[in-house]
Amino acid sequence: KNEVEQSPQNLTAQEGEFITINCSYSVGISALHWLQQHPGGGIVSLFMLSSGKKKHGRLIATINIQEKHSSLHITASHPRDSAVYICAGSQGNLIFGKGTKLSVKP
Amino acid sequence: EAQVTQNPRYLITVTGKKLTVTCSQNMNHEYMSWYRQDPGLGLRQIYYSMNVEVTDKGDVPEGYKVSRKEKRNFPLILESPSPNQTSLYFCASRPGSSFVYGYTFGSGTRLTVV
Repeated sequence: KNEVEQSPQNLTAQEGEFITINCSYSVGISALHWLQQHPGGGIVSLFMLSSGKKKHGRLIATINIQEKHSSLHITASHPRDSAVYICAGSQGNLIFGKGTKLSVKP
Repeated sequence: EAQVTQNPRYLITVTGKKLTVTCSQNMNHEYMSWYRQDPGLGLRQIYYSMNVEVTDKGDVPEGYKVSRKEKRNFPLILESPSPNQTSLYFCASRPGSSFVYGYTFGSGTRLTVV
Protein backbone atom coordinates (compact mmCIF):
# COMPACT_ATOMS: atom_id res chain seq x y z
CA LYS A 1 0.00 0.00 0.00
CA ASN A 2 1.35 3.40 -0.96
CA GLU A 3 1.94 5.87 1.85
CA VAL A 4 0.14 8.60 -0.13
CA GLU A 5 -2.97 7.59 -2.06
CA GLN A 6 -4.94 9.77 -4.45
CA SER A 7 -8.38 9.33 -5.91
CA PRO A 8 -9.66 9.27 -8.49
CA GLN A 9 -6.86 8.25 -10.81
CA ASN A 10 -8.63 9.83 -13.80
CA LEU A 11 -11.37 12.42 -13.85
CA THR A 12 -13.31 13.89 -16.74
CA ALA A 13 -15.52 16.90 -16.14
CA GLN A 14 -17.58 19.37 -18.13
CA GLU A 15 -16.58 23.01 -18.09
CA GLY A 16 -18.11 24.77 -15.12
CA GLU A 17 -18.33 21.72 -12.87
CA PHE A 18 -17.07 21.64 -9.29
CA ILE A 19 -14.19 19.20 -8.98
CA THR A 20 -12.76 17.39 -5.96
CA ILE A 21 -9.55 15.38 -5.84
CA ASN A 22 -8.77 13.43 -2.69
CA CYS A 23 -5.51 12.53 -1.01
CA SER A 24 -5.03 10.21 1.97
CA TYR A 25 -1.78 9.50 3.72
CA SER A 26 -0.76 6.83 6.19
CA VAL A 27 2.45 8.33 7.58
CA GLY A 28 3.26 11.30 9.76
CA ILE A 29 3.93 14.39 7.70
CA SER A 30 4.75 17.98 8.51
CA ALA A 31 2.98 19.43 5.48
CA LEU A 32 0.95 18.37 2.47
CA HIS A 33 1.70 19.75 -0.98
CA TRP A 34 -0.52 19.97 -4.03
CA LEU A 35 1.29 20.14 -7.37
CA GLN A 36 0.04 20.70 -10.90
CA GLN A 37 1.63 19.22 -14.01
CA HIS A 38 0.40 20.35 -17.40
CA PRO A 39 0.89 18.32 -20.59
CA GLY A 40 4.42 19.14 -21.64
CA GLY A 41 5.67 18.29 -18.21
CA GLY A 42 6.47 21.27 -15.99
CA ILE A 43 5.47 20.98 -12.32
CA VAL A 44 4.07 23.93 -10.40
CA SER A 45 3.51 24.04 -6.67
CA LEU A 46 -0.11 25.06 -5.94
CA PHE A 47 -0.42 24.78 -2.17
CA MET A 48 1.43 23.75 0.92
CA LEU A 49 -0.78 22.98 3.93
CA SER A 50 -0.08 21.99 7.47
CA SER A 51 -3.58 22.71 8.76
CA GLY A 52 -6.95 24.12 7.75
CA LYS A 53 -7.69 25.52 4.34
CA LYS A 54 -6.07 27.66 1.66
CA LYS A 55 -7.61 29.37 -1.36
CA HIS A 56 -6.05 30.75 -4.50
CA GLY A 57 -8.44 31.94 -7.16
CA ARG A 58 -10.74 29.04 -8.07
CA LEU A 59 -8.59 26.49 -6.24
CA ILE A 60 -9.19 25.49 -2.63
CA ALA A 61 -7.14 23.01 -0.63
CA THR A 62 -8.13 21.57 2.73
CA ILE A 63 -6.48 19.22 5.14
CA ASN A 64 -7.79 17.21 8.09
CA ILE A 65 -4.80 16.21 10.19
CA GLN A 66 -6.75 13.81 12.43
CA GLU A 67 -8.16 11.91 9.46
CA LYS A 68 -4.92 12.18 7.44
CA HIS A 69 -6.84 13.44 4.45
CA SER A 70 -6.60 16.39 2.10
CA SER A 71 -8.78 17.58 -0.75
CA LEU A 72 -8.19 19.86 -3.69
CA HIS A 73 -11.29 21.58 -5.04
CA ILE A 74 -11.64 23.45 -8.30
CA THR A 75 -14.67 25.67 -8.66
CA ALA A 76 -16.11 26.64 -12.08
CA SER A 77 -13.68 24.32 -13.86
CA HIS A 78 -12.22 25.36 -17.21
CA PRO A 79 -10.43 23.42 -19.96
CA ARG A 80 -7.17 25.13 -18.95
CA ASP A 81 -7.42 23.29 -15.62
CA SER A 82 -6.75 20.04 -17.52
CA ALA A 83 -3.59 18.68 -15.97
CA VAL A 84 -2.25 16.03 -13.62
CA TYR A 85 -2.65 16.98 -9.97
CA ILE A 86 -0.21 15.40 -7.53
CA CYS A 87 -0.33 15.44 -3.77
CA ALA A 88 2.83 14.90 -1.76
CA GLY A 89 3.50 14.57 1.95
CA SER A 90 6.52 16.30 3.37
CA GLN A 91 8.59 14.18 5.72
CA GLY A 92 11.90 15.90 5.15
CA ASN A 93 11.67 14.66 1.62
CA LEU A 94 8.49 14.46 -0.43
CA ILE A 95 6.36 11.30 -0.61
CA PHE A 96 4.29 11.50 -3.77
CA GLY A 97 0.88 10.20 -4.71
CA LYS A 98 0.52 8.74 -8.19
CA GLY A 99 -1.43 11.73 -9.48
CA THR A 100 -4.93 12.43 -10.75
CA LYS A 101 -5.32 13.16 -14.45
CA LEU A 102 -8.04 15.77 -14.91
CA SER A 103 -9.62 16.52 -18.25
CA VAL A 104 -12.13 19.35 -18.47
CA LYS A 105 -14.23 19.33 -21.64
CA PRO A 106 -15.64 22.54 -23.13
CA GLU B 1 12.72 35.80 -11.71
CA ALA B 2 13.06 33.09 -9.08
CA GLN B 3 13.52 29.81 -10.85
CA VAL B 4 15.12 26.40 -11.13
CA THR B 5 16.79 25.91 -14.51
CA GLN B 6 17.42 22.47 -15.94
CA ASN B 7 19.37 21.69 -19.07
CA PRO B 8 18.90 20.16 -21.49
CA ARG B 9 15.11 19.90 -21.87
CA TYR B 10 15.41 16.92 -24.20
CA LEU B 11 18.25 14.46 -24.65
CA ILE B 12 18.62 11.30 -26.69
CA THR B 13 21.79 9.35 -26.00
CA VAL B 14 23.27 5.90 -26.44
CA THR B 15 23.86 3.26 -23.82
CA GLY B 16 27.08 3.78 -21.92
CA LYS B 17 27.80 7.36 -22.96
CA LYS B 18 28.29 9.48 -19.85
CA LEU B 19 26.01 12.47 -19.52
CA THR B 20 25.26 15.28 -17.11
CA VAL B 21 21.96 17.05 -16.57
CA THR B 22 22.47 20.44 -14.99
CA CYS B 23 20.27 22.09 -12.39
CA SER B 24 20.72 25.62 -11.13
CA GLN B 25 18.60 27.74 -8.78
CA ASN B 26 18.81 31.49 -8.12
CA MET B 27 16.93 31.60 -4.80
CA ASN B 28 19.78 30.75 -2.42
CA HIS B 29 17.93 27.59 -1.40
CA GLU B 30 19.73 25.10 0.83
CA TYR B 31 17.79 22.00 -0.21
CA MET B 32 17.89 20.56 -3.73
CA SER B 33 16.64 17.26 -5.07
CA TRP B 34 16.38 15.14 -8.19
CA TYR B 35 13.34 13.05 -9.17
CA ARG B 36 12.42 10.79 -12.00
CA GLN B 37 8.89 10.34 -13.26
CA ASP B 38 7.73 7.17 -14.98
CA PRO B 39 4.23 6.13 -16.14
CA GLY B 40 2.43 4.18 -13.45
CA LEU B 41 5.18 4.81 -10.89
CA GLY B 42 4.84 8.55 -10.40
CA LEU B 43 7.63 10.71 -9.07
CA ARG B 44 10.49 9.04 -7.21
CA GLN B 45 13.42 10.69 -5.53
CA ILE B 46 16.92 9.92 -6.82
CA TYR B 47 19.23 12.05 -4.67
CA TYR B 48 18.92 15.09 -2.49
CA SER B 49 21.19 17.65 -0.89
CA MET B 50 20.59 19.53 2.33
CA ASN B 51 23.41 22.01 1.65
CA VAL B 52 26.81 22.41 0.00
CA GLU B 53 28.85 19.19 0.14
CA VAL B 54 25.94 17.33 1.81
CA THR B 55 24.19 14.79 -0.42
CA ASP B 56 22.19 11.66 0.28
CA LYS B 57 20.44 8.87 -1.57
CA GLY B 58 16.74 8.91 -2.26
CA ASP B 59 14.59 5.95 -3.21
CA VAL B 60 16.17 5.10 -6.60
CA PRO B 61 19.84 6.18 -6.58
CA GLU B 62 21.34 3.25 -8.53
CA GLY B 63 23.10 4.36 -11.71
CA TYR B 64 23.21 8.05 -10.74
CA LYS B 65 25.69 10.39 -9.10
CA VAL B 66 25.33 13.94 -7.88
CA SER B 67 27.56 16.66 -6.50
CA ARG B 68 26.92 19.90 -4.63
CA LYS B 69 30.05 22.00 -4.82
CA GLU B 70 28.16 25.30 -4.90
CA LYS B 71 24.84 26.21 -3.35
CA ARG B 72 23.15 27.08 -6.64
CA ASN B 73 24.12 24.00 -8.69
CA PHE B 74 23.17 20.35 -8.31
CA PRO B 75 24.09 18.35 -11.42
CA LEU B 76 22.84 14.80 -12.03
CA ILE B 77 25.44 12.51 -13.58
CA LEU B 78 24.77 9.26 -15.39
CA GLU B 79 28.16 7.59 -15.74
CA SER B 80 26.94 4.74 -17.96
CA PRO B 81 23.33 5.30 -18.96
CA SER B 82 21.12 2.33 -19.70
CA PRO B 83 17.70 2.13 -21.39
CA ASN B 84 15.95 1.71 -18.02
CA GLN B 85 17.04 5.25 -17.20
CA THR B 86 14.83 6.58 -19.97
CA SER B 87 12.55 8.87 -18.02
CA LEU B 88 11.40 12.42 -17.30
CA TYR B 89 13.68 14.04 -14.73
CA PHE B 90 12.94 16.96 -12.44
CA CYS B 91 15.13 19.03 -10.21
CA ALA B 92 13.58 20.96 -7.33
CA SER B 93 14.71 23.24 -4.54
CA ARG B 94 13.34 24.68 -1.32
CA PRO B 95 14.70 26.96 1.38
CA GLY B 96 16.01 25.83 4.73
CA SER B 97 16.23 22.60 6.60
CA SER B 98 12.67 22.80 7.88
CA PHE B 99 10.12 20.60 6.21
CA VAL B 100 7.42 23.22 5.79
CA TYR B 101 8.62 25.20 2.83
CA GLY B 102 7.24 25.18 -0.67
CA TYR B 103 9.20 23.65 -3.49
CA THR B 104 10.20 25.16 -6.84
CA PHE B 105 10.56 22.68 -9.69
CA GLY B 106 12.54 22.89 -12.88
CA SER B 107 10.87 22.42 -16.26
CA GLY B 108 12.03 18.84 -16.62
CA THR B 109 14.48 16.91 -18.79
CA ARG B 110 13.15 14.16 -21.01
CA LEU B 111 15.93 11.60 -21.42
CA THR B 112 15.88 8.74 -23.88
CA VAL B 113 18.65 6.12 -23.74
CA VAL B 114 18.84 3.87 -26.81
